Amino acid sequence: KQEVTQIPAALSVPEGENLVLNCSFTDSAIYNLQWFRQDPGKGLTSLLLIQSSQREQTSGRLNASLDKSSGRSTLYIAASQPGDSATYLCVVTGGGNKLTFGTGTQLKVEL
Amino acid sequence: SQTIHQWPATLVQPVGSPLSLECTVEGTSNPNLYWYRQAAGRGLQLLFYSVGIGQISSEVPQNLSASRPQDRQFILSSKKLLLSDSGFYLCAWSRLAGGSITDTQYFGPGTRLTVL
Repeated sequence: KQEVTQIPAALSVPEGENLVLNCSFTDSAIYNLQWFRQDPGKGLTSLLLIQSSQREQTSGRLNASLDKSSGRSTLYIAASQPGDSATYLCVVTGGGNKLTFGTGTQLKVEL
Repeated sequence: SQTIHQWPATLVQPVGSPLSLECTVEGTSNPNLYWYRQAAGRGLQLLFYSVGIGQISSEVPQNLSASRPQDRQFILSSKKLLLSDSGFYLCAWSRLAGGSITDTQYFGPGTRLTVL
């Protein structure tokens, strides 16, 4: 059974700081890994999708890496802003179209 | 461009009452469709997914059911709600149909259900 863990569970940083969110998964047989953000009371917004054959993806200030063999992914956020405050979810897609969601990291970027 | 709609946005229902949540997708055809639930203090849980009209796969046993009467319409239902059904329900779609997820999932705005 796939398990996805995110560390840290919560993070508070001053504006402008670079930060890294971590995601680990127990079963390396995945199709892809996706990072989402969820704002309070709202739906999910897709940030980055990394296919199992890829090592990283970049979008603006965001960079996600994937090391499938070790079961790890990181989301790097450069020059953090208060608008980045949200819960970040790591999701892996495995066999049989099964999605497993991580436990989430609650990020707060302070002025 | 593609858009996904969910309604209602919020719902308060008594225990034992029926439920019907609707999700529709515009701007694409033959998408994969998904229903998720996020209970208070817990992560997202995949409830159902569909790769085509009338094709529904259930991920967890429960008193909920899903139907896909049209290509871009996905409905979540219950005959009798339980207190434990309270939560935030999200519908999502992805581009490729046919049983394989290899593309980004796009989520709707969600429905907040409170069962009293």
